[in-house]
Amino acid sequence: SQQGEEDPQALSIQEGENATMNCSYKTSINNLQWYRQNSGRGLVHLILIRSNEREKHSGRLRVTLDTSKKSSSLLITASRAADTASYFCATLRGTYKYIFGTGTRLKVLA
Amino acid sequence: DAGVIQSPRHEVTEMGQEVTLRCKPISGHDYLFWYRQTMMRGLELLIYFNNNVPIDDSGMPEDRFSAKMPNASFSTLKIQPSEPRDSAVYFCASSSTGGHNTSNYGYTFGSGTRLTVV
Repeated sequence: SQQGEEDPQALSIQEGENATMNCSYKTSINNLQWYRQNSGRGLVHLILIRSNEREKHSGRLRVTLDTSKKSSSLLITASRAADTASYFCATLRGTYKYIFGTGTRLKVLA
Repeated sequence: DAGVIQSPRHEVTEMGQEVTLRCKPISGHDYLFWYRQTMMRGLELLIYFNNNVPIDDSGMPEDRFSAKMPNASFSTLKIQPSEPRDSAVYFCASSSTGGHNTSNYGYTFGSGTRLTVV
């Protein structure tokens, strides 16, 4: 079963704008990761945030985690056409198993 | 490192035929995962290995599916007999820690095998 549910399912923005995607999950987690998937390709790891962290940055990416609300958000600042992809959150179940959400399809218009 | 290598990239087969998907993980990674991706069900974890030993196969849909990892550099996912509903993209991923909380690294995915069963 899917653990994470991303919201929105699809997002279309203009280049230069910020994109925000949200992920909600149902059970307690150890950590949460965000991945990107370009069309026809495998998933690429973007960032990991641990359950005791609230915010993390990596370049133009900013991830927040609210364990009380069981939710996380991924912010991409100053988006580029190359950011067009699907974005997935993945939550760690137990020690070794990640369960992926349903994904947000982001389209950045040039 | 060339990353996680999967073969073939595309496979078209007739219903009832045996299909074997292959994966070469990143050297030194001790965890290997098989996922299946479809529009309807998203990404599903099928099975994962640690040090070549299957740890959790609860996601394997039916007895028609089997996976092996005879050594640290090779794994196979076999479907016998194949059915049209098995059509999906199958991904292999590897990790050096299994995603433990102390790690800052996630999984490295292969490019996937697109399986079409007609």
